Amino acid sequence: EPEVTQTPSHQVTQMGQEVILRCVPISNHLYFYWYRQILGQKVEFLVSFYNNEISEKSEIFDDQFSVERPDGSNFTLKIRSTKLEDSAMYFCASRRTADEQFFGPGTRLTVL
Amino acid sequence: AQSVTQLDSQVPVFEEAPVELRCNYSSSVSVYLFWYVQYPNQGLQLLLKYLSGSTLVESINGFEAEFNKSQTSFHLRKPSVHISDTAEYFCAVARTNTGFQKLVFGTGTRLLVSP
Repeated sequence: EPEVTQTPSHQVTQMGQEVILRCVPISNHLYFYWYRQILGQKVEFLVSFYNNEISEKSEIFDDQFSVERPDGSNFTLKIRSTKLEDSAMYFCASRRTADEQFFGPGTRLTVL
Repeated sequence: AQSVTQLDSQVPVFEEAPVELRCNYSSSVSVYLFWYVQYPNQGLQLLLKYLSGSTLVESINGFEAEFNKSQTSFHLRKPSVHISDTAEYFCAVARTNTGFQKLVFGTGTRLLVSP
């Protein structure tokens, strides 16, 4: 069964450093998403991406964040200058039609 | 804007007992409704969904949820839980009137099943 994959599973970085979180969505999916879950809190929407552009973003998704689909398979989230409060589990999701979003296993980002 | 309320942060229950996890939502437009489950140290898995049609939806592992439009609820139930059902359960909604469909999640309910 096809699945969404994410790498790395755990990323530790120093405050102020740039990180890139990588996702490989399911191959025939058209809509792509990033969500995050701060420890003990709810899952929050960050951004949705369709047809090679951002379709919607939350207020969390400020200028420090960017997304890219550099080729036909990868979907990346870049945080330019990480802050302590960026520590969270980041989930990638993809969807084909007006139906469920399939989530990856997540990348745990720890900012020191 | 949409919002989802899961009033119970934690629900302890004994194995083979019934359980109900509550979910209420608020939205000015029509929504799709979802329950996702997160097992320890894993990602989110879709448990069941309501898109249209019958208001009672069922999962393959015995869970069911009923969409109640008048009460804006989508409570999750199981008549007899197993130890393996121990997990975090998230209720979520998505607007139907847009193709982009971001999910808005509740705060989650931790189901703790003990022997």
